[in-house]
This record gives sequence, C-alpha cells and structure tokens, in this order.
Amino acid sequence: DIQMTQSPSSLSASVGDRVTISCRASQGISNSLAWFQQKPGTAPKLLLFAASRLEDGVPSRFSGSGSGTDYTLTISSLQPEDFATYFCQQYYDRTPLTFGGGTKVEI
Amino acid sequence: QVNLVQSGAEVKKPGASVRVSCKASGYMFTSYGITWVRQAPGQGLEWLGRISGYNGNTNYAQRFQGRISMTTDTATSTAYLDLRTLTFDDTAIYYCARIGLTTTDYWGQGTLVTVSS
Repeated sequence: DIQMTQSPSSLSASVGDRVTISCRASQGISNSLAWFQQKPGTAPKLLLFAASRLEDGVPSRFSGSGSGTDYTLTISSLQPEDFATYFCQQYYDRTPLTFGGGTKVEI
Repeated sequence: QVNLVQSGAEVKKPGASVRVSCKASGYMFTSYGITWVRQAPGQGLEWLGRISGYNGNTNYAQRFQGRISMTTDTATSTAYLDLRTLTFDDTAIYYCARIGLTTTDYWGQGTLVTVSS
C-alpha cells in the first residue's frame, strides 16, 4: 500500500495568512493526488485533483503543486470559512486508496 | 446536483452486523462506482472497498475480506455496505463517495456506527 504522510497535523493561522500543507507519498504517484476539505459534521469536499487542478466552484486562493512523491496545498489568503481539516488522497493505486492523516487549520 | 444521502446512526453489540445505505441522486447511478471509507475516532480515513454501479463488481480491502459486502440496487440508485462480526474497533463514521472521472468527487454525509456492549 502507498503510505501518505501529511504535515503538519495542525496549524494556527490568522485571516489573510498564507498557509501551506504538505503530503508525501511512500512512492511516486504521478500527480494522482487529491486534496479535500472537511468541516465538523459535514462530508469531505473535493478541492483539487491531479495535484493542481481546481474542482469546479473552488476559490482560486486554493492551489496545489508538486510531483513524484511530494505535494503541497497552498491557501494564498486564509478566509474565515477556510478553517477546517484538510487531507490528501492518492489514487495512483486505487486498491487501496490511501489518505494523509489530515491537517487541522485553526484560528 | 449530485447528492449522496446515507442512512442514520446505528448502535450495535459486538458480534452483530450492520447495514449502511447510500442513496444517490442527480446523476446516472450506473455510470459511476461507489467507494466506502471509514474514520474511527481520532484516526485517519480508511478505504473499505468499492463497487461498480454498472455491473456490481467489487474490490474489498484485504483486512475486511470475509466480513464485508457491498451491493447496489440500481432501481433505487442505492448502494449498501454490510459489515459483519462487529468489534469495538469498528466504531467509526462510515462514508460513501462517488468515484468520479479521477477520484472520489462527491461524498455522503457519513453514518456513525457505534459498537457497544
């Protein structure tokens, strides 16, 4: 199985801050990486796929980058509605899909 | 719009079985698969398996082989997860998610399954 290591596990930030979250795969995943946002009690929401492609309707302050084993989610200017937990998912090997441990973004 | 609505919370005793349903709407059910994922308290997300909406073919995570089943009812656009011989470690929120063109694009709201004596 492909292991996904996400960091940090939590961070504190203020509105307007630039936030960066990292995800490292245990082997190359050829940009087959997605990022999700999850707020308490709600379903995860797909933000980006193919490492850097924004899902329809997702604000452009979210961006993704990376290649090989290392990937990054950046929020360019944190908004109040962005306080949530973010997690990565690799789908290079779909059996099984594997996920990062999550990053909780707090005020 | 695509929507996945899951069944309500369940409380089960150890050794029992549970069925979680996931009713899809807003798209052609048979054109997409459904994957099931769970999240135990304080833990990360764990993939349980997937089922084709087209032909019902399944792939299960190895550690659940023998006590997990996934089925679909195309007439009602509903997917089902059955998990048997429950233990305390099966306490988790169970999610269904549509398998889109690349990966899981729409998720259900989650179903809390609590295993308690």
